[in-house]
Amino acid sequence: DAKTTQPPSMDCAEGRAANLPCNHSTISGNEYVYWYRQIHSQGPQYIIHGLKNNETNEMASLIITEDRKSSTLILPHATLRDTAVYYCIVRVALVQGGKLIFGQGTELSVKP
Amino acid sequence: AAGVIQSPRHLIKEKRETATLKCYPIPRHDTVYWYQQGPGQDPQFLISFYEKMQSDKGSIPDRFSAQQFSDYHSELNMSSLELGDSALYFCASSFSSGFQYFGAGTRLSVL
Repeated sequence: DAKTTQPPSMDCAEGRAANLPCNHSTISGNEYVYWYRQIHSQGPQYIIHGLKNNETNEMASLIITEDRKSSTLILPHATLRDTAVYYCIVRVALVQGGKLIFGQGTELSVKP
Repeated sequence: AAGVIQSPRHLIKEKRETATLKCYPIPRHDTVYWYQQGPGQDPQFLISFYEKMQSDKGSIPDRFSAQQFSDYHSELNMSSLELGDSALYFCASSFSSGFQYFGAGTRLSVL
């Protein structure tokens, strides 16, 4: 699985958009970009994933660059409850037993 | 909607004791994963099962074993516990290779 690089921490004002970057320059053609988050000591929570097109769901948007070497997770209107560690994970989706390899994520602090 | 259920939520053991952690996946999910998260660490993959067969193995100590039963629930057995085994243990489930849903975790403290 490709290695990812994320900033260790970020701050965001409540109500503003939070833009979390992720570099995955060694991504392969069949690897997807997944985003999970972990609110303090809770189980990680799936947010969104994509292959090459931008994706949006009720939680967030995922913007993947055309060369697929980086992506940005966007929380459009961050709330205090979005304070968590956000993990960008790259892996092949269609593999049985597809474990998640958690690297150093980004600790997002949403401030009032 | 039903989620992944883990039990117990908290467990306190002495060194050299054994512990068994249980995981009940979301109904119709056929794949179970176990992760260990030490204090201040990121979750680390231990082992996974697909249709009751081990499908992948990570850095799981030989003192640990796991299995998935016919009803798809899974148990992680940990023997000769060490202080360093103190951690949060998460179970996740998925349908085939779909994205994983995590349980609330079991906090194991080894004294």
